Amino acid sequence: NAGVMQNPRHLVRRRGQEARLRCSPMKGHSHVYWYRQLPEEGLKFMVYLQKENIIDESGMPKERFSAEFPKEGPSILRIQQVVRGDSAAYFCASSPVGTGGTDTQYFGPGTRLTVL
Amino acid sequence: GIQVEQSPPDLILQEGANSTLRCNFSDSVNNLQWFHQNPWGQLINLFYIPSGTKQNGRLSATTVATERYSLLYISSSQTTDSGVYFCAVETGSRGSQGNLIFGKGTKLSVKP
Repeated sequence: NAGVMQNPRHLVRRRGQEARLRCSPMKGHSHVYWYRQLPEEGLKFMVYLQKENIIDESGMPKERFSAEFPKEGPSILRIQQVVRGDSAAYFCASSPVGTGGTDTQYFGPGTRLTVL
Repeated sequence: GIQVEQSPPDLILQEGANSTLRCNFSDSVNNLQWFHQNPWGQLINLFYIPSGTKQNGRLSATTVATERYSLLYISSSQTTDSGVYFCAVETGSRGSQGNLIFGKGTKLSVKP
């Protein structure tokens, strides 16, 4: 039973380029969450998605960031026109049940984004 | 919003020692999880423990929901226990479903 998968594990972009981060949830999980960890800090919630729906995007920056979880395929976190401050580790988590926070979130290995 | 405070922020132990990490939270929670982030950055689930006590090998955790704190016990520590331990909570309140709030972590270093 494979865990949450994220790719790429490391991503280097130059300022102004686009970054696409992918997350495949655990088998049987239909709820996906994205978190960002800046250096030497804890994780901060960004967005919570179910298939084809954004449930909570209260942690997403207002500009340049978007997320989707299509009917088929992985969830994508997209960052347009990256800046150095976007350098961070981006973690994806999944759970089988999301409402009311009654179940464990399982985390992927993260994607480490470096913006040059 | 809910506040999550972890203590101590840093902890240095000799191999074989025991330790207790604490997590205080400012509101009632539906979900509380403990994680270990190893030196390679991977987040490992330790416990899902919104209330009660659980044990897994040398690790155990207790959450007293009515008093809004959780404790993580590490016994007979090993160098592989080094890393950062995070507590994360979710209130389940309207508008924050699925939103885990993380503490700043306790950085543990176990010396051989």
